[in-house]
Amino acid sequence: EVQLVESGGGLVQPGGSLRLSCAASGFTFSSYWMHWVRQAPGKGLVWVSRINSDGSSTNYADSVKGRFTISRDNANNTLYLQMNSLRAEDTAVYYCARESRSGRHFDYWGQGTLVTVSS
Amino acid sequence: DIQMTQSPSSLSASVGDRVTITCRASQSISSYLNWYQQKQGKAPKILIYAASSLQSGVPARFSGSGSGTDFTLTISSLQPEDFATYYCQQSYSTPRTFGQGTKVEIK
Repeated sequence: EVQLVESGGGLVQPGGSLRLSCAASGFTFSSYWMHWVRQAPGKGLVWVSRINSDGSSTNYADSVKGRFTISRDNANNTLYLQMNSLRAEDTAVYYCARESRSGRHFDYWGQGTLVTVSS
Repeated sequence: DIQMTQSPSSLSASVGDRVTITCRASQSISSYLNWYQQKQGKAPKILIYAASSLQSGVPARFSGSGSGTDFTLTISSLQPEDFATYYCQQSYSTPRTFGQGTKVEIK
């Protein structure tokens, strides 16, 4: 069974840092592109970042470029999102998602982890 | 970046109704259009990918159509478990933008 389990969320002050993790199981993690998507309270889904299967290529939304870094550890089946210089507008539930190899959709999602940026 | 615009933003419908949600892309995205369902407090779930392909395990009352810039998600006979928010997403290019969502509520 495919599982994605996020962790690392919490309360952080503006300007602070946080690292999110997404533990993957039930599939060959190293064969899949992975994404982070966030959702502010009461708002819609916003794509954040993507990493290819071997970690050599990444992309970011303009709103997080230069502040967030996506990475992966294929040996330990884990996806990361390092978030620096956090702002109040980064407050959201952060989901990791797997990109299907038979299409370019997100076929599995984690349950999400809440990041709150507040003083 | 490609902008995705859904309509309506919300709708009220009864069990058994036929429901149609539209999604428009700011430029042609061929058939790189996906539909997700999200229930309150839960992660999104893929329903339709590549504009019209039904994800395995998704009921056949869900269908998708369209290509280029205009797309439609149809629920042929709304069921109680279908009350949720629906999002379109383009996978033609990065950033993989989502529509703003359509909330389907009980009439």
